[in-house]
Amino acid sequence: AQSVTQPDIHITVSEGASLELRCNYSYGATPYLFWYVQSPGQGLQLLLKYFSGDTLVQGIKGFEAEFKRSQSSFNLRKPSVHWSDAAEYFCAVGTADSWGKLQFGAGTQVVVTP
Amino acid sequence: DTAVSQTPKYLVTQMGNDKSIKCEQNLGHDTMYWYKQDSKKFLKIMFSYNNKELIINETVPNRFSPKSPDKAHLNLHINSLELGDSAVYFCASRLQNTQYFGPGTRLTVL
Repeated sequence: AQSVTQPDIHITVSEGASLELRCNYSYGATPYLFWYVQSPGQGLQLLLKYFSGDTLVQGIKGFEAEFKRSQSSFNLRKPSVHWSDAAEYFCAVGTADSWGKLQFGAGTQVVVTP
Repeated sequence: DTAVSQTPKYLVTQMGNDKSIKCEQNLGHDTMYWYKQDSKKFLKIMFSYNNKELIINETVPNRFSPKSPDKAHLNLHINSLELGDSAVYFCASRLQNTQYFGPGTRLTVL
């Protein structure tokens, strides 16, 4: 069965500093990988996705993620964090053969300090 | 130009009541989903419909009944509400293996 692990429940970062959120997945084949962001009281917004091809993917709001098959990881990065990046971040894995059912990680809460 | 919309945004009700949450997407997608986000922010799929046909039905109490009158709408009806049903319910629709989520409905059962 597929699973997703986000090891960090909570991360505090200073505004302007870099950010990296970790995501590890377990799945037999190449999964479809996603990062979503949930701002307080808001819905889920897609940041970026990986299906195949170039393992470094660019997303919205200056985020990027790198797929590393050997490490079963799909970590999210941002070079310089803005106060508006404070939110909950979810990594998710989906497959092509299960009508797109998404398995989500537990989420990482990002707090941005001045 | 809202892509995936849900109504209501907030729903407060008493135990034992029956309530419905509505979802509509104007993206022309064929597949729609309901997810539940619990108090610890964990998201879990409940149901999925493809072109009005139920295709995913996770282990959900049968008090929950989804209905899709057409492929642009997927509603969730909940009978005999319990305290544990309090959560945020998200609707999503899918195109080319990517899901787009609605703003969520926060259900509070008192």
